[in-house]
Amino acid sequence: GQQLNQSPQSMFIQEGEDVSMNCTSSSIFNTWLWYKQDPGEGPVLLIALYKAGELTSNGRLTAQFGITRKDSFLNISASIPSDVGIYFCAGQLTTSGTYKYIFGTGTRLKVLA
Amino acid sequence: DGGITQSPKYLFRKEGQNVTLSCEQNLNHDAMYWYRQDPGQGLRLIYYSQIVNDFQKGDIAEGYSVSREKKESFPLTVTSAQKNPTAFYLCASSIYDSGNQPQHFGDGTRLSIL
Repeated sequence: GQQLNQSPQSMFIQEGEDVSMNCTSSSIFNTWLWYKQDPGEGPVLLIALYKAGELTSNGRLTAQFGITRKDSFLNISASIPSDVGIYFCAGQLTTSGTYKYIFGTGTRLKVLA
Repeated sequence: DGGITQSPKYLFRKEGQNVTLSCEQNLNHDAMYWYRQDPGQGLRLIYYSQIVNDFQKGDIAEGYSVSREKKESFPLTVTSAQKNPTAFYLCASSIYDSGNQPQHFGDGTRLSIL
């Protein structure tokens, strides 16, 4: 089946540093979503991207829909301790007339104060 | 507040037992979804429903069953045929027009085996 490669798998950073993570695939996607999940809770939508090349910000978060429609990245600027969590990408594609989201395996972020 | 409510938060299953996980949404969303989350893996789709009284199998439907009798509700039953049910189960919903609307998630149910 379709797969999304998300990297890095985990990262430790110092408070105040910028963070970058990305998702790539061999499939072409129509939509990219980025979520954050805290332990024991459901993912919360951070940013949605709908067009190739689109660059969207949400506070300190910036995400881009790759030109090839096969990748996306998420940047977090000036990280703070509450940025800790798991970040997931999700790509939406159409298969046999059915819309489906494929999820990455997540990037686990730990911020050192 | 509008949202998705999953219950219970924690659930334990005995061998040979069926258990049902509840998912209710008051967002007036057409589509609802069930995912399974295992450590180190992405979310895997179990079942989804785009409209009342209709649902489709996802990638890992074996050992699970669902119903969609009301727009607001999409319960998931983990049957005894599911041999490895221990996981975190997430319910999601979305508007279903062009199909690219974001999915919004509940807070999950953690299922464990006794």
